[in-house]
Amino acid sequence: DVKVTQSSRYLVKRTGEKVFLECVQDMDHENMFWYRQDPGLGLRLIYFSYDVKMKEKGDIPEGYSVSREKKERFSLILESASTNQTSMYLCASRSGQGGEKLFFGSGTQLSVL
Amino acid sequence: SQQGEEDPQALSIQEGENATMNCSYKTSINNLQWYRQNSGRGLVHLILIRSNEREKHSGRLRVTLDTSKKSSSLLITASRAADTASYFCATDAGWGRNDMRFGAGTRLTVKP
Repeated sequence: DVKVTQSSRYLVKRTGEKVFLECVQDMDHENMFWYRQDPGLGLRLIYFSYDVKMKEKGDIPEGYSVSREKKERFSLILESASTNQTSMYLCASRSGQGGEKLFFGSGTQLSVL
Repeated sequence: SQQGEEDPQALSIQEGENATMNCSYKTSINNLQWYRQNSGRGLVHLILIRSNEREKHSGRLRVTLDTSKKSSSLLITASRAADTASYFCATDAGWGRNDMRFGAGTRLTVKP
């Protein structure tokens, strides 16, 4: 089975800190995604990547950046964390070779104090 | 922007009853997918229906798609307490696009 691993299940950070959320997949998938999930709002796409060093903005990229230096790893970076970035962050991947369904990590609950 | 919108937001039923959830979307799609999320965890893929299909079955799941109305429904038959979860529809942005959008989800509670 495909495994998508997010480095932390829970994370507590201070306002203004630079925060790194890491995601690793083990199935050689081309496409990787970062979503945030808030109650009543569902999942909102922050950024996605369709190849190494390639990235595209999703619907809410402000305050975030991403890095994809290796195919298996997709990092989400909060340049200067703010309290309104307190949320559940979900990473997902899928194959670019006709693959359609997304495989999700277990999520990182980030609290910014 | 949100692509899909699920209806209802929350649904509570008794074990053995059927549960129906609806999803509406805004743009042309290649396929529509349904996912399940147990509390506070990642999402798990349930079923995919392509834009040229009208109905699809998988076990106790039945999905319909009406592209003229830009809507889909997920039916879970003979529900069980273990079906308690949040259910989301997701759509891609059309042919050649890699990004996928989700709705806000339906919270299903199945009472024993």
